[in-house]
Parts: sequence; structure tokens; C-alpha cells
Amino acid sequence: DAKTTQPPSMDCAEGRAANLPCNHSTISGNEYVYWYRQIHSQGPQYIIHGLKNNETNEMASLIITEDRKSSTLILPHATLRDTAVYYCIVRVVYSGGGADGLTFGKGTHLIIQP
Amino acid sequence: KAGVTQTPRYLIKTRGQQVTLSCSPISGHRSVSWYQQTPGQGLQFLFEYFSETQRNKGNFPGRFSGRQFSNSRSEMNVSTLELGDSALYLCASSNQAGNASPLHFGNGTRLTVT
Repeated sequence: DAKTTQPPSMDCAEGRAANLPCNHSTISGNEYVYWYRQIHSQGPQYIIHGLKNNETNEMASLIITEDRKSSTLILPHATLRDTAVYYCIVRVVYSGGGADGLTFGKGTHLIIQP
Repeated sequence: KAGVTQTPRYLIKTRGQQVTLSCSPISGHRSVSWYQQTPGQGLQFLFEYFSETQRNKGNFPGRFSGRQFSNSRSEMNVSTLELGDSALYLCASSNQAGNASPLHFGNGTRLTVT
């Protein structure tokens, strides 16, 4: 079972910031938060990941709460091409090397409205 | 840099046959993982290979197997195909430079079993 909870769908107006929430209340100390998105008939696309600090890259920002029990993915200026299913995933990374496979839940279907 | 390449893109097989899918990771990436995606079960982890060794395995029957070659390319084999094996099979690679290195997915092979 997925260790995360996401709303099944969200709408956002084009040009506005899209804020996608994710709950991972049972996250453990060695679990990272990853975000991927998938457009129909393509493979999942990596967006961003983090452990406990907020992260930003050219695609998005990731805000992780201090207790690490939830996070928010922010797409600062959504475009129509951002319409996709967004997956929030927590993944165990072992200090000795290696990591678990990704466990995908149902994700959030984000629809950008023109 | 070229992305993860999977061949073939589409495949149609008959029940009882076997199939081999191929994956070329991003240049320099040494870890390759395989996932199965179906409408009912979503994305599920099959196995991960690193330096030609299977490091991690999901909960799939022994009919699903894989291997990795010295150039990091990987193949996945499914024997005695069943109708339920119809799915999108995704390959992902990572460089494992850091244990939390993200996975980068190909666009998959769509297998249809009739």
C-alpha cells in the first residue's frame, strides 16, 4: 500500500501557482519524499525530491513541514502542459547503499484550466 | 543526454508465449529498475538491478525475470504469458551517485496479451 495520501483531483487556472498537497504521516527518518508526474501514455517524469529541507529546481518547489508528515509541491506558473497525474512517493534510502523500489499510489489528477 | 530507451514500444503476444523487453539506461547510470503499470493496480515495482546483480525484488511470480549486462543495459522476460500480464512495462535508471538519486523513466513497452 502507498504510504501517502493525495487528493484525487485538483483544478488550477493557467498562469497561477498550483499547490499539490501530500500527507505522509507515517514517514520514517530514512525516507525521502519524491514527486513524479505522468502524462497519458508516457513514463513518469521526475520533478523533485527532498528529505527535510525545502527544495527548489527549475520545475517546481517542494515544501516539507517541520515534522515531515506532509509536503506540498508548488508549480509556480502552471501551463496547460502541466496537466498530468502527480504522484507523491516516500522511499526508504539505506545508509549502507541501495533503496527500495518506488511505491506509487493513485496520485492527483491536476487539470490546468485555460 | 539521451533518456532511457525502451524497445519495442508496442508488442502483441498470445497466451502461453514468452516475451523479452529491452531497456537502455541513461549513459553513466548503473541502476535499472522495472515497473508494471495497469489501470487496476497502478504502478508496481518488479525488480532492480545494479552492476549486473538483482538488488531488490517486488511481489511478482517467478515468470517475471530480468538481467543486466555489463554495459548496464537490461532485459526483462515474462514466460508463459497470461491475459493479466497486459500492461505498460516501464524501465527506470538512476546513477546511484547518491543513494537518494532519483529514477528516470522511459516511455515504456505496451504489452498486449491475447
